[in-house]
Amino acid sequence: GAVVSQHPSRVICKSGTSVKIECRSLDFQATTMFWYRQFPKKSLMLMATSNEGSKATYEQGVEKDKFLINHASLTLSTLTVTSAHPEDSSFYICSAISGLTYEQYFGPGTRLTVT
Amino acid sequence: KQEVTQIPAALSVPEGENLVLNCSFTDSAIYNLQWFRQDPGKGLTSLLLIQSSQREQTSGRLNASLDKSSGRSTLYIAASQPGDSATYLCAARNYGGSQGNLIFGKGTKLSVKP
Repeated sequence: GAVVSQHPSRVICKSGTSVKIECRSLDFQATTMFWYRQFPKKSLMLMATSNEGSKATYEQGVEKDKFLINHASLTLSTLTVTSAHPEDSSFYICSAISGLTYEQYFGPGTRLTVT
Repeated sequence: KQEVTQIPAALSVPEGENLVLNCSFTDSAIYNLQWFRQDPGKGLTSLLLIQSSQREQTSGRLNASLDKSSGRSTLYIAASQPGDSATYLCAARNYGGSQGNLIFGKGTKLSVKP
């Protein structure tokens, strides 16, 4: 089946630094990708919708200047957490929509810890 | 505003039991409802997707039902196995908005004891 990968799977960074998370669709082209955030014992929340070649659409309450999203190609979207704070520590999951089947596939997630 | 609730938050059963996980949603105008499995520290695996016009979907030992009028969905797992241990999430997708705009419940953490 279709595979979505994320890199890194886990990252620890110091407060004030920036960290980039990559999301790749490995065997299909994804015109649309999504970034979610999951806090412990909380629901998964959609952060933004990323469309190839255009600006991301952010959900209400998500700071676009803090969570920079770039969807530079049909197989890659990146999420950069800028000036990270401990409260940004979370599990970030991306998903991608196949341009062919329109099915949605989820990545394995990235655990971000900000110290 | 759509809200999705899952009960119970955690469930422990002995191997071989049949079990039901519950999901309720506040806005019945859903496009579809989807059940996922999430293993610890991992992403989501889609189990079943029920369109708003459907009442149930089956895949192997799993059966998901949808009752829009009452705002409920259930996931039935037959003959549970230790390998079924995971967190099960249900998510509602409303009309309009992007395809990724799934409203997730907090999940039910299932533990199947050998």
